[in-house]
Amino acid sequence: NAGVTQTPKFRVLKTGQSMTLLCAQDMNHEYMYWYRQDPGMGLRLIHYSVGEGTTAKGEVPDGYNVSRLKKQNFLLGLESAAPSQTSVYFCASTRVVDTGELFFGEGSRLTVL
Amino acid sequence: GQNIDQPTEMTATEGAIVQINCTYQTSGFNGLFWYQQHAGEAPTFLSYNVLDGLEEKGRFSSFLSRSKGYSYLLLKELQMKDSASYLCAATDSNYQLIWGAGTKLIIKP
Repeated sequence: NAGVTQTPKFRVLKTGQSMTLLCAQDMNHEYMYWYRQDPGMGLRLIHYSVGEGTTAKGEVPDGYNVSRLKKQNFLLGLESAAPSQTSVYFCASTRVVDTGELFFGEGSRLTVL
Repeated sequence: GQNIDQPTEMTATEGAIVQINCTYQTSGFNGLFWYQQHAGEAPTFLSYNVLDGLEEKGRFSSFLSRSKGYSYLLLKELQMKDSASYLCAATDSNYQLIWGAGTKLIIKP
């Protein structure tokens, strides 16, 4: 059982380049999230989705776009990467939004030079 | 504003007991979660509290006081593998999770 899978695990970008992070879950979860985690800070929500075809902005959405064309996939795009986007990105999913635990992917470490 | 406070780092001895505190301020409240995160890994779920009181799960227990905006995670019979960061997160009125920065727990032999 794969759970939540993120690709790629590591990536180095130059300023201005674009890229897409893919998150796939095989648990038939409705809710999916993209977080970033920086040293000394809590997880910060970038964008989230409450179901196929829906997306919404989180706490720090600027510079990112997302799409959820299929229920199992949630894509995070960086349009024009900036050094401030150097971070570890986590995708997570859950079945129920109120009491449900989040299942996280292994993380994607992105460095923008 | 919304805020979660927890200590940055704690040190404890193998076999001992440690309590990690968390205070929260959120717009509405729909529950409090604790997650464990080993270095370089993803967070994993430990506990969920929505009512006041203590929830026990093996060596780990979690306590909640809604009136005080306070929770703690209690770890008993500490093992070296418990060395990790412990993340406190509260759910606000929109069911969004507000995360603390995490408490790094160091276990010494």
